[in-house]
Amino acid sequence: DVKVTQSSRYLVKRTGEKVFLECVQDMDHENMFWYRQDPGLGLRLIYFSYDVKMKEKGDIPEGYSVSREKKERFSLILESASTNQTSMYLCASSQARDSNQPQHFGDGTRLSIL
Amino acid sequence: AQSVTQLGSHVSVSEGALVLLRCNYSSSVPPYLFWYVQYPNQGLQLLLKYTSAATLVKGINGFEAEFKKSETSFHLTKPSAHMSDAAEYFCAVSYYGNNRLAFGKGNQVVVIP
Repeated sequence: DVKVTQSSRYLVKRTGEKVFLECVQDMDHENMFWYRQDPGLGLRLIYFSYDVKMKEKGDIPEGYSVSREKKERFSLILESASTNQTSMYLCASSQARDSNQPQHFGDGTRLSIL
Repeated sequence: AQSVTQLGSHVSVSEGALVLLRCNYSSSVPPYLFWYVQYPNQGLQLLLKYTSAATLVKGINGFEAEFKKSETSFHLTKPSAHMSDAAEYFCAVSYYGNNRLAFGKGNQVVVIP
């Protein structure tokens, strides 16, 4: 079974802090994704990566950056956290760039910015 | 741009009744379509996927979905709802042919005893 592990289930930070959300997958997947989930808005793609050291912007990249130094790990960085970044963050991975491959999700990190 | 429409953010269904969740997509090329389920405090779990092999797709937990090209739809059904089906359900379409997914806004299903 594919396992996508997010380092924290719940996180509380303060406005202006630099926040790191970590995600690790154990299936040697090429693709990794970061989403945020808000009530009534579904999932919105922040950033994704098709390979080590590669990254591409999703639909809402403003205020975020990412890092992929190793194939199994994909980090989301909030450079200077703001209250409007309070949300549920979901990481996902998939096997290849084929459109028919499903994405596998972690359990999410619920982030609160005070 | 590819997009997905799910109507009705909250859906109430009686235990034992039919579950029907509607999904319509817009796509300029043949799509790949997915249904995911999210239980409270968990990530998304794949229910089923359509990849052009068959128009009627069977998934886990008794769910199935039918791809109708003429209606640009991929509605999810289950003949008899169970209390354990209470969850949020998302329809998604593959995006730009590169495994990006566009998600609908989701349906929160409540099962009434």
